[in-house]
Amino acid sequence: DVKVTQSSRYLVKRTGEKVFLECVQDMDHENMFWYRQDPGLGLRLIYFSYDVKMKEKGDIPEGYSVSREKKERFSLILESASTNQTSMYLCASREPPKNIQYFGAGTRLSVL
Amino acid sequence: ELKVEQNPLFLSMQEGKNYTIYCNYSTTSDRLYWYRQDPGKSLESLFVLLSNGAVKQEGRLMASLDTKARLSTLHITAAVHDLSATYFCAVGRAADGLTFGKGTHLIIQP
Repeated sequence: DVKVTQSSRYLVKRTGEKVFLECVQDMDHENMFWYRQDPGLGLRLIYFSYDVKMKEKGDIPEGYSVSREKKERFSLILESASTNQTSMYLCASREPPKNIQYFGAGTRLSVL
Repeated sequence: ELKVEQNPLFLSMQEGKNYTIYCNYSTTSDRLYWYRQDPGKSLESLFVLLSNGAVKQEGRLMASLDTKARLSTLHITAAVHDLSATYFCAVGRAADGLTFGKGTHLIIQP
């Protein structure tokens, strides 16, 4: 089974803090993704990565950056957290050839 | 811009009844995914539909895809309480991630 692990289930941070959300997958997948999920809005793509050190902006990249130094690990960075970044963050890893995305358990981030 | 619309967004139904969730999308795509999410949990992959006319079934759930109409359906047969969850459809984009519908919150009552 594909396993996607997000390091924290719940985080509480203060406005202006730098926040790191970590995601690790164990299936040697090349493609990884970060989404945020908000009530009534569904899931929206923040950033994705095709391979190590490669990253692409998704639909809502503002206020975020990412890092992919190793194939199995994809990190989402909030450079200066703001209250409108309070959300559920979901990491996913994509398996070829059907391109099914497997999701981690999510990190619920509250920015106060 | 790809848009994915699900309806209904909320559905309350009784056990034993049948119902269909609809997923319309705005631009051509050859990949359509259905996911399930239980409260407080992550998303679980249910079906992948890869071609026009594709039909997949698992237990009481059946998904189909009509690429010409840009429509996918998720049909629930003889609903049971355990199927209560939020169901998302998602459309694959050529080079990157998925565009999700807003989800259908399904409650099945005894």
